[in-house]
Amino acid sequence: QKEVEQNSGPLSVPEGAIASLNCTYSDRGSQSFFWYRQYSGKSPELIMSIYSNGDKEDGRFTAQLNKASQYVSLLIRDSQPSDSATYLCAVNQGAQKLVFGQGTRLTINP
Amino acid sequence: EPEVTQTPSHQVTQMGQEVILRCVPISNHLYFYWYRQILGQKVEFLVSFYNNEISEKSEIFDDQFSVERPDGSNFTLKIRSTKLEDSAMYFCASSNTGARPQHFGDGTRLSIL
Repeated sequence: QKEVEQNSGPLSVPEGAIASLNCTYSDRGSQSFFWYRQYSGKSPELIMSIYSNGDKEDGRFTAQLNKASQYVSLLIRDSQPSDSATYLCAVNQGAQKLVFGQGTRLTINP
Repeated sequence: EPEVTQTPSHQVTQMGQEVILRCVPISNHLYFYWYRQILGQKVEFLVSFYNNEISEKSEIFDDQFSVERPDGSNFTLKIRSTKLEDSAMYFCASSNTGARPQHFGDGTRLSIL
């Protein structure tokens, strides 16, 4: 089983600061990478997808991908208390299967 | 915005009984998936389904499990003889291609007594 690794946290960030979440993966053949947000007791909600090396920005979120280092990250600018959740890194393995990391629990402190 | 819907939201069943979890994927999506999440653990892939057949399954998806698309809108997961360790949240997801983002339903919490 190819793995996806995340620091489980908790990661505490003051309101208005930048939150930085990291993920590494072991399958060099992976081509599609996703960040999901999961509130306690709820389902994963897609935030970002990224397919090529570099940065991809969407509002306050920036995903970064480095395939050579097998590394994906998510930056959240101007963090809000509503951003407090568990952030799941997910990587396509093979044609369709998503492999998830254990998630990083993020807390934004007002 | 279109969404994946799952029913029921919570299912309580006696060990050994059969359960069927139901999902309505997003209407123009062609790929369907089931995942599960045991409390406090990772989201785990169970099975993917495309063109009316299973395209991939995990080692968790043993002979007790089956999936079906009985009509043009529903996608079901059946567990034939439930065990205590089947207690988990079960998520249905769909995507319009295999590599594109998968959108998840709200999940069914399955509790086996």
